[in-house]
Amino acid sequence: DAGITQSPRYKITETGRQVTLMCHQTWSHSYMFWYRQDLGHGLRLIYYSAAADITDKGEVPDGYVVSRSKTENFPLTLESATRSQTSVYFCASSPSGGPYEQYFGPGTRLTVT
Amino acid sequence: AQSVAQPEDQVNVAEGNPLTVKCTYSVSGNPYLFWYVQYPNRGLQFLLKYITGDNLVKGSYGFEAEFNKSQTSFHLKKPSALVSDSALYFCAVRDMAGANNLFFGTGTRLTVIP
Repeated sequence: DAGITQSPRYKITETGRQVTLMCHQTWSHSYMFWYRQDLGHGLRLIYYSAAADITDKGEVPDGYVVSRSKTENFPLTLESATRSQTSVYFCASSPSGGPYEQYFGPGTRLTVT
Repeated sequence: AQSVAQPEDQVNVAEGNPLTVKCTYSVSGNPYLFWYVQYPNRGLQFLLKYITGDNLVKGSYGFEAEFNKSQTSFHLKKPSALVSDSALYFCAVRDMAGANNLFFGTGTRLTVIP
């Protein structure tokens, strides 16, 4: 039981390219989240999903697209990558909202050249 | 609006000494508060949380945190630091009546000196 996995772990892409980061969880958690981690900013929420086919914007959604057709998967797509999207991206899940903690994946380090 | 402040980017402590990592928060309602730890090249790991009740919360690896409503603080503490505690620590808050996303502080790097 792997819990929550992300792929790829490392990615280098060029400005303007589309890139998709994958997130998969095996717990059947309802909620899933995408964060980016940047020096001086901590973690900032990009998008989250309360259930399959339900998504909502977080603090920094511009330039990103998400979908959630299945409970266990929550891919994040950068439609046209920019250098400012160079970051470490973390996916997380939780069984519900409210007081439940989130469980984080290992992260994807994305470099946009 | 919700926010978290971790006033110290870096905390150094000698092995065996007590450690404190500070966190203050701002929410319009009542908070759920969390502490996470991040080791190099890893995701965040949950340490402990405050939901309601006892202001002193105990968590993993001997860590504890004290919720202080009047000072809007949730400082992380450990009586005796270990070298293996060296990591990046994040405080996070969620408003009980608000949306289900967490707001994170900018993190505090803890270094325990042998």
